[in-house]
Amino acid sequence: DTAVSQTPKYLVTQMGNDKSIKCEQNLGHDTMYWYKQDSKKFLKIMFSYNNKELIINETVPNRFSPKSPDKAHLNLHINSLELGDSAVYFCASSQRGGGVWNEQFFGPGTRLTVL
Amino acid sequence: AQRVTQPEKLLSVFKGAPVELKCNYSYSGSPELFWYVQYSRQRLQLLLRHISRESIKGFTADLNKGETSFHLKKPFAQEEDSAMYYCALLTQGGSEKLVFGKGMKLTVNP
Repeated sequence: DTAVSQTPKYLVTQMGNDKSIKCEQNLGHDTMYWYKQDSKKFLKIMFSYNNKELIINETVPNRFSPKSPDKAHLNLHINSLELGDSAVYFCASSQRGGGVWNEQFFGPGTRLTVL
Repeated sequence: AQRVTQPEKLLSVFKGAPVELKCNYSYSGSPELFWYVQYSRQRLQLLLRHISRESIKGFTADLNKGETSFHLKKPFAQEEDSAMYYCALLTQGGSEKLVFGKGMKLTVNP
């Protein structure tokens, strides 16, 4: 299956803990993204990496640290989790430079619940 | 600054009724617009892009630069159209990104 995959699908944890979400794409894309979808279904970009290089950081708290070991992977590590971090986190990928012909392919999402 | 506005959060119609999901944008550059859809318990996926001027699953959307709008329309809604719909603007330049509207939930009743 060619797709964007994320693990885990669900993550329930206590406030103050540190957790990671992993994302992998096998579409051969050079750009990957993390989005946060809040309880009101509002979808907002957090980070974007192109060929392992950070190109977008949308004023996300320092507790969030993305890591891209190669262009097929973009992981998200979150330190000192807070209640407000509870959301669904989506990973996506695309091929940069295609302009309007770019399509972002999304992963299935990781539902993070902070208690 | 770039912004995408979907003024309505919810729309409920009966099967066979026409639907129009509104989207307005604000962008200083040349706008590139998309509609993404998220069916229940599925991932977000591209529905259509303005440049291709295509009809997908009976939906069409026309870019109106004068009104800065990109409304999504379907003449006869089906139950399987029930989903969250997001209008998105592609910003250009070095940090190309999609700016999403807040989304709208469409419910098509039998």
